[in-house]
Amino acid sequence: QKEVEQNSGPLSVPEGAIASLNCTYSDRVSQSFFWYRQYSGKSPELIMSIYSNGDKEDGRFTAQLNKASQYVSLLIRDSQPSDSATYLCAVLYYGNNRLAFGKGNQVVVIP
Amino acid sequence: DAGVTQSPTHLIKTRGQHVTLRCSPISGHKSVSWYQQVLGQGPQFIFQYYEKEERGRGNFPDRFSARQFPNYSSELNVNALLLGDSALYLCASSLGGWSLTGNTIYFGEGSWLTVV
Repeated sequence: QKEVEQNSGPLSVPEGAIASLNCTYSDRVSQSFFWYRQYSGKSPELIMSIYSNGDKEDGRFTAQLNKASQYVSLLIRDSQPSDSATYLCAVLYYGNNRLAFGKGNQVVVIP
Repeated sequence: DAGVTQSPTHLIKTRGQHVTLRCSPISGHKSVSWYQQVLGQGPQFIFQYYEKEERGRGNFPDRFSARQFPNYSSELNVNALLLGDSALYLCASSLGGWSLTGNTIYFGEGSWLTVV
C-alpha cells in the first residue's frame, strides 16, 4: 500500500463549477496534512494545511479531513482558469519531518 | 521576507560529473529538507536537516549527500551523475521543532538538473 494515494485521473471542470480532489493515506498516526498546487514547470505552492478532523475553509478552498477513514479531500469552489494545475496531497511524518506525496491530480478548468 | 532561495535554477551536467545545489531557508527557519521530483510524480524525500544535524534520509544511494551550515543554509551534492538523476530538485524549509504549525513546509523554486 502506498503511503499517499491520489487515484483520480485528470479532472476537467467548467469555469465556476466545484472541483473535488481526494487522497487517502496509510499511516494512522499522521497528524499533519497538506495540499500543494503545482503549475507546470514550477515548484509546489502550499495552499492548505489541516490538522483536525472536519472542514477547513480558506477563500475558495475547503480541505476536509477524516482520520478514522484516513482520507483527505480538497474542494475548489467557483473554479477559475487560473486553478488549472496539478494538486499534490502530502502527509507529514514526524521524526524526520518528511512529507510523503501522492502523485498528484491534474485539474483543467475550461472557460 | 524572502522565501526559500535556491541556486542554480537550471543546469546541465554530463554523466559521471558531480553537482552541488544550494539553498537558503526562510529567515528564522532552522529545518531544511531536499526532495527530488521527476516528471509526472510527486516529490520524493532525500534528506532533512535540523540545527545542522541530519534528521532523516530517504531511499537514495550514497552518491547523494547534504549538509547544513551554521547559518542554516544547505547544499545537496550528487556524485557520479546518472541520466536518471535528471529531475527538479526542491529545497524546503520549516521552523522545525515539534509544534504542528512549526512543521509546515515551504518549497523554493527548485533547481532543474539535466544529465546528458
